Amino acid sequence: DGGITQSPKYLFRKEGQNVTLSCEQNLNHDAMYWYRQDPGQGLRLIYYSQIVNDFQKGDIAEGYSVSREKKESFPLTVTSAQKNPTAFYLCATKSHTGELFFGEGSRLTVL
Amino acid sequence: AQSVTQPDIHITVSEGASLELRCNYSYGATPYLFWYVQSPGQGLQLLLKYFSGDTLVQGIKGFEAEFKRSQSSFNLRKPSVHWSDAAEYFCAVGSSGSARQLTFGSGTQLTVLP
Repeated sequence: DGGITQSPKYLFRKEGQNVTLSCEQNLNHDAMYWYRQDPGQGLRLIYYSQIVNDFQKGDIAEGYSVSREKKESFPLTVTSAQKNPTAFYLCATKSHTGELFFGEGSRLTVL
Repeated sequence: AQSVTQPDIHITVSEGASLELRCNYSYGATPYLFWYVQSPGQGLQLLLKYFSGDTLVQGIKGFEAEFKRSQSSFNLRKPSVHWSDAAEYFCAVGSSGSARQLTFGSGTQLTVLP
């Protein structure tokens, strides 16, 4: 099936640890995005990448890092510098018609 | 800067009743407008989109939306709500030239009463 796979679905982290969220797509889309979702705040853009080996900061990039070594993959690392990392994280790709396709999300909880 | 306002945080309707979810946007150029739906713990699914042309657009699951440039609005409607429509709904605005893609509203939570 074509789509976007995020893993893990649930992740628990101790304070001070870095964690990496995986996002893989087989839609052959060039652009990929990471959003953070908190209750009552909609979606906020963390990072985005329009092409392999290139990415740009979004509105809330502090405490996060990404890489784009392959077209299919856009992993997000939540570093210890992120002060409030507990949230629902969504990965998306953009089609040639401009709409976003989303993965099922990863819920990160800091213990 | 572009922005999206969804003034209703939570709406409750009875099954079979009509529904209208409000969305107002601020955007300097001709916007691309979207409505997405999200079930709990899931990703977002596109309901419909407006790029140009007919201002009344039809989407999946019986939803429609009307673009009103004079009111900067893109309200979502459904004539008869089903219990399975209970979810959170997000309006979004962007443009084809925007590499940053979309700006999302804060969402409207829909509860459907039996």
